[in-house]
Amino acid sequence: GAVVSQHPSRVICKSGTSVKIECRSLDFQATTMFWYRQFPKQSLMLMATSNEGSKATYEQGVEKDKFLINHASLTLSTLTVTSAHPEDSSFYICSARGGGAFFGQGTRLTVV
Amino acid sequence: GNSVTQMEGPVTLSEEAFLTINCTYTATGYPSLFWYVQYPGEGLQLLLKATKADDKGSNKGFEATYRKETTSFHLEKGSVQVSDSAVYFCALSHGIAGGTSYGKLTFGQGTILTVHP
Repeated sequence: GAVVSQHPSRVICKSGTSVKIECRSLDFQATTMFWYRQFPKQSLMLMATSNEGSKATYEQGVEKDKFLINHASLTLSTLTVTSAHPEDSSFYICSARGGGAFFGQGTRLTVV
Repeated sequence: GNSVTQMEGPVTLSEEAFLTINCTYTATGYPSLFWYVQYPGEGLQLLLKATKADDKGSNKGFEATYRKETTSFHLEKGSVQVSDSAVYFCALSHGIAGGTSYGKLTFGQGTILTVHP
């Protein structure tokens, strides 16, 4: 089946710094990728839709200037959490659209 | 809008017990329905899916049938194992292949399953 790789799997950063998370489709091209956020013991909430070569579409309530998304190629989308704060600590998961929705393994972000 | 409601957990079972996790949905048209599983510390894995009414998805002993008349997609397994302990998510996708919403999922709240030896 299709493989989506997300990196890093875990990251700890200091408050005020920025963190970049990568999502790669390894064996297929994905013009569209999705970024989700999962709070502890809660469901996944869609943050944004990442479109190759164009601006991302953000869900209501998601700050686009805080969560920067870049989809510069058909196999890579990045999510940058800018000026991170402890409340941004969460599990972030990407999925790539390619005959279905294939998920990365997720990134556990901890902001201290 | 679309929504998915799962039975609240956590669910605790003994090994070899029968499992049912209820899932109902609200959507217009004909969504595709999915069950995903998340093992501790990991991302989501597709467990099974069904794309039209009366379809039955199955994998690893798990089954779910797309019931349009009751807008349900309940997950069942006849005999659970300790290794089935995980969080299970019911989800729907309302997009059609090639459409802008294709691949965008709406998730239920997740059900934690713990299986004891």
